[in-house]
Amino acid sequence: QVQLQESGPGLVKPSETLSLTCAVSGGSISGYYWNWIRQPPGKGLEWIGYIYYSGSTNYNPSLKSRVTISLDTSKNQFSLNLNSVTAADTAVYHCARARLGSQNSYYYYYMDVWGKGTTVTVSS
Amino acid sequence: SYELTQPPSVSVSPGQTASITCSGDKLGQKYACWYQQKAGQSPVLVLYQDTKRPSGIPARFSGSNSGNTATLTISGTQAMDEADYYCQAWDSSTVVFGGGTKLTVL
Repeated sequence: QVQLQESGPGLVKPSETLSLTCAVSGGSISGYYWNWIRQPPGKGLEWIGYIYYSGSTNYNPSLKSRVTISLDTSKNQFSLNLNSVTAADTAVYHCARARLGSQNSYYYYYMDVWGKGTTVTVSS
Repeated sequence: SYELTQPPSVSVSPGQTASITCSGDKLGQKYACWYQQKAGQSPVLVLYQDTKRPSGIPARFSGSNSGNTATLTISGTQAMDEADYYCQAWDSSTVVFGGGTKLTVL
């Protein structure tokens, strides 16, 4: 049973960099897409980006200029860096595993394993 | 950028059928999936590829997707189904979530 666990500072100062790690246990990183998603207090889910096990990445266009997602296969974990944070980046940050495929010429992408989430507050 | 639209709230009586819609341009030409998020918990995948249920998801959860609308249907809704529900699709190599629907069972 694959499990994901987010870790990192719960408090980040404005203008600094938010750094989180997601540890993957009970399974391999190979063959999957590894995602970061966030949820501001009282609001909906916002996809931040993903990294494929090969190392290729893609990011939400609205965050692309500030986001980097990296992978450490030796430690079976992946990480999120979000720079120049403001109060608007305060949220619960989730990591999740996703599968991408195609059938009948259409693509599917779904996240079947999620971490419990970690709360990050941006405040001085 | 691609957008998915959901009603903010849906109410249903216990035992009745709840339907939650998700609208997007030509959504029927993509695959949709659905997540359930109970208060204070992480999202859980309840449907993928429009109609498929992951292991452990009750058969009362079903789905459809045609035209511009995907629909999550919960038959015989139970109190435990009260939660926020999010649709999600894949567009231009990015992930798009709907705004979420709060399902109230009363």
